[in-house]
Amino acid sequence: GAGVSQSPRYKVAKRGQDVALRCDPISGHVSLFWYQQALGQGPEFLTYFQNEAQLDKSGLPSDRFFAERPEGSVSTLKIQRTQQEDSAVYLCASSLAQGSNTGELFFGEGSRLTVL
Amino acid sequence: AQRVTQPEKLLSVFKGAPVELKCNYSYSGSPELFWYVQYSRQRLQLLLRHISRESIKGFTADLNKGETSFHLKKPFAQEEDSAMYYCALSPLGGGFKTIFGAGTRLFVKA
Repeated sequence: GAGVSQSPRYKVAKRGQDVALRCDPISGHVSLFWYQQALGQGPEFLTYFQNEAQLDKSGLPSDRFFAERPEGSVSTLKIQRTQQEDSAVYLCASSLAQGSNTGELFFGEGSRLTVL
Repeated sequence: AQRVTQPEKLLSVFKGAPVELKCNYSYSGSPELFWYVQYSRQRLQLLLRHISRESIKGFTADLNKGETSFHLKKPFAQEEDSAMYYCALSPLGGGFKTIFGAGTRLFVKA
């Protein structure tokens, strides 16, 4: 594909519902990142994958958040029992770099989640 | 702990005026610094990185390790520079977490 693709672009959930957000990275990109961006804030790191291995999940705010990348390509961010404070734009980024440094991140357009 | 601080939420300048977007960082090791930009209705994208030492769209940024700063500068602002700018830090030599500042909105007035 031409770039990182995310779906859905917009999601409205009732409090308590589960949601799943999908990210399709640039083909061949080993590294994949999820960020959460609240209104008026910069992107906050959630988790990082290198191929299918989740190497850092220190930014996940609670055990309601879960991410996977089972075949080292497409990734899904799942939020269980959504709360109003989960309302944000969820950004996915991929990178060709691995190992010693992150390198340039290529971002998707984001998935805007609104929890009512 | 890693931290990136952008003290200005909004910066408004006239077309043709110099512009400087401030960025200070906190990191105990050797960092790689980036500026990302988000134009209206577009996705976040890399503007420049300190390792490349290049000028992109007339913008430059110098890493000052003594002052732990990485300010973004352009001598003559253009209207098309109006956007959201984010300073970001990534650990060099081992580490995957790129940390972003809160961002500065640059508005260039005609």
